[in-house]
Order: sequence, then structure tokens, then C-alpha cells
Amino acid sequence: EPEVTQTPSHQVTQMGQEVILRCVPISNHLYFYWYRQILGQKVEFLVSFYNNEISEKSEIFDDQFSVERPDGSNFTLKIRSTKLEDSAMYFCASNRQGVTYEQYFGPGTRLTVT
Amino acid sequence: GQQLNQSPQSMFIQEGEDVSMNCTSSSIFNTWLWYKQDPGEGPVLLIALYKAGELTSNGRLTAQFGITRKDSFLNISASIPSDVGIYFCAGQENSGGSNYKLTFGKGTLLTVNP
Repeated sequence: EPEVTQTPSHQVTQMGQEVILRCVPISNHLYFYWYRQILGQKVEFLVSFYNNEISEKSEIFDDQFSVERPDGSNFTLKIRSTKLEDSAMYFCASNRQGVTYEQYFGPGTRLTVT
Repeated sequence: GQQLNQSPQSMFIQEGEDVSMNCTSSSIFNTWLWYKQDPGEGPVLLIALYKAGELTSNGRLTAQFGITRKDSFLNISASIPSDVGIYFCAGQENSGGSNYKLTFGKGTLLTVNP
């Protein structure tokens, strides 16, 4: 069964460094998302992406964040200058046209900023 | 933003018991979804509900989409140890056809004693 994959599973970085989190959504999906989950808290929406542009972004998704779909398979989240409070699990998700009510999540990348 | 109230926050039950959890919202959602999350993993889709009043089953799981579109419940019958985990409800909006972002509840931590 197709699934969303994410790399790396765990990323440790120093404050102020840039990180890129990578995702490969399910192949016939057209809508892509990034969410984050701070330890012990609920999953929060960051950004949605469709047709090579951002559809919506949350307050969390400030100028330090960017997303890109550099080719036909990858979907990336870049944090330009990480802060301690960026430490969280980051989940990529996707759904396909016609079945937009089913959204599938990847296993997540645990980002630790020291 | 929209808020989902999920209850109970946690449950401790004996194997074989039934369990019920629910979510309410002050706003209407087009779709309600229920996810299960194991520690360190991504949310796994259990059930998606997209018609008001709909009652849907998936094995031992049953979920209903409230007639007002502002609430949903999830029942698990005859619980087993592998049901342990955090269960999240999520409401889905449709913002103009290009964004199907999810708003999550805070989760219900389920512990099943063998």
C-alpha cells in the first residue's frame, strides 16, 4: 500500500542553522501539507500546498519557513534559521483529488534544536 | 482559529471493555477524521466521515458524524492491548477547493490493561 515517507527520521541541529526536511507524498496525490507536533501536544497545521503554490499558511509559518516541490516526487520544508522553539515532530501529509477527505501522514521527522 | 474539544483526555480500561470518546467544535466542519498515533510515529487514519449523520464502522471501530456537523464520536468495542495509543479527532475544512487542512483535537490517551 502506498505511503508517505519522510527523511530524516531525526535531525539534530544548532540554533541558527538551516534545516531541510524532506517528504515523498503518495504518488497520485495533489495536495500537500506540513504539520508539527510539539512533544505532548496536539498536531498543528503549518502550511498547505497545491498546484506548485501555497494555499494557506498558519501564524507559525513565518518568514523563516519555506516549502518547495523541486521535482515530481519530493516536497520539502526549510527552516532558515532554527530556534529552540522549533524543536518538534514535523509531519508531511497528502491527499488526492476526488478523495480529499482522506489525508495520510508520514512517520515524521523529529527536529531537535540545541 | 477553530478549536476542537476532545474528551476524555485519558482513559484506563480493562481488555475486552468498550470505550467511547468524542469531539465537539463551535464551528462546522465538512469532514471529520479519526486518527491513532503510537509513540514516535505519525497519525494513522482510522475512519473518515464526510456526510452529516453518517455512521461508519471499521472493524471494531465505529464513528459518527454529528447531524449539526459540529461533533463526532468514536467507539472501540472489545478493546485489546494493541489499541493502546493516542486517538485524535480532526476536522477538515474546504477553503475554496485547494486546501483541505486539518484542525486536530488534543487527543485521548487510551491505556488497556490486559
